[in-house]
Amino acid sequence: GNSVTQMEGPVTLSEEAFLTINCTYTATGYPSLFWYVQYPGEGLQLLLKATKADDKGSNKGFEATYRKETTSFHLEKGSVQVSDSAVYFCALRREGQNFVFGPGTRLSVLP
Amino acid sequence: GAGVSQSPSNKVTEKGKDVELRCDPISGHTALYWYRQSLGQGLEFLIYFQGNSAPDKSGLPSDRFSAERTGGSVSTLTIQRTQQEDSAVYLCASSLGSPGMRDEQFFGPGTRLTVL
Repeated sequence: GNSVTQMEGPVTLSEEAFLTINCTYTATGYPSLFWYVQYPGEGLQLLLKATKADDKGSNKGFEATYRKETTSFHLEKGSVQVSDSAVYFCALRREGQNFVFGPGTRLSVLP
Repeated sequence: GAGVSQSPSNKVTEKGKDVELRCDPISGHTALYWYRQSLGQGLEFLIYFQGNSAPDKSGLPSDRFSAERTGGSVSTLTIQRTQQEDSAVYLCASSLGSPGMRDEQFFGPGTRLTVL
């Protein structure tokens, strides 16, 4: 079946550090890939997405590239801020099917 | 605003009682999803409604859990004979349900259920 694996957290970084959160997936066919973010006390919201191989999703300085050959969709940001502290969820969806979410990675950015 | 709303925001109940959780999706969204998020855990898929199609119930953890969606809009998740392990945040999301892969989910704020 379809599944998503994320690096275990928590991840703790200093402000302005480089961030990578790894995400790999298992799916038949060609799913769409998503990163969702959950800020403290708030609901989940879409951060970025990519719908086909080699697509790059980007938003708020975050980027992720759909790599079909490595079945990965790693999240990166060049310089994190304290306000980026949140839980990040990688997800996939095949057309007509439900979403499959990873377990989430908690990021804490220290000033 | 016209986002996804859920009620109640918090529910405390006694073990063995039944509870109903409500979700109002964004108007015009044909797809509706229920998830469960336990403390420190990821999202656990429960059930998925898409238009008039039969729902995907593959994520419901036991027959104590059921959900319905009336008129293609509001959905109710019912948990019968609640157990302490049912304590979690129950999240609802909706999407346009458009064909293809560009469907974005919009999440509600969740209902925090505590079973004593």
